[in-house]
Amino acid sequence: DIQMTQSPSSLSASVGDRVSITCRASQVISTYLNWYQQKPGKAPNLLIYAASSLQSGVPSRFSGSGSGTDFTLTISSLQPEDFATYYCQQSDGTPPTFGGGTKVEIK
Amino acid sequence: EVQLVQSAAEVKKPGESLKISCKGSGYSFTSYWIGWVRQMPGKGLEWMGIIYPGDSDTRYSPSFQGQVTISADKSISTAYLQWRSLKASDTAMYYCARQPENALDIWGQGTMVTVSS
Repeated sequence: DIQMTQSPSSLSASVGDRVSITCRASQVISTYLNWYQQKPGKAPNLLIYAASSLQSGVPSRFSGSGSGTDFTLTISSLQPEDFATYYCQQSDGTPPTFGGGTKVEIK
Repeated sequence: EVQLVQSAAEVKKPGESLKISCKGSGYSFTSYWIGWVRQMPGKGLEWMGIIYPGDSDTRYSPSFQGQVTISADKSISTAYLQWRSLKASDTAMYYCARQPENALDIWGQGTMVTVSS
């Protein structure tokens, strides 16, 4: 299986901060990389697909970049509703695999 | 509105069988893959397998192959995840999700399965 490593595993930030989360794949996955947000007690929500495409309805402060093995999710100006856990997922290999998650907390 | 609605939470004993469901609406159910994802308490997401309701083509993660069965009834736009003999380690939240290309774009609300003696 392709291993996905996210960093950091958690971070504290303030409203208005620029936040970046990285995801590294154990092998080249082109741009078959998705990002999800999960709030406590809720199902995950797709934010970014194919590494950099913004899912319909997702605010433009979210962006994704990268290709090959290294990817980044950036929140340009953190809002109160963005405090959540974020997961990357590769969809190049079978089975698709998720990163361990990054919990974004309020500073 | 495109949505997936899952069956209610279940409490079972070890060794019992279980089948949970995921009903799609608002789109052509037979035209999109449906995947199942496990989330154990306090843990991350694990992809279990996927089914194409149009022809019931099914793929499993090696970690779940033989442990669960994924099926679908396209006549009622419903996908299923079932166990023959539950274990305590099957205690988790289970999500179904639609997969149009290579991402999971619409998720069900989740079904909590608790296995305890």
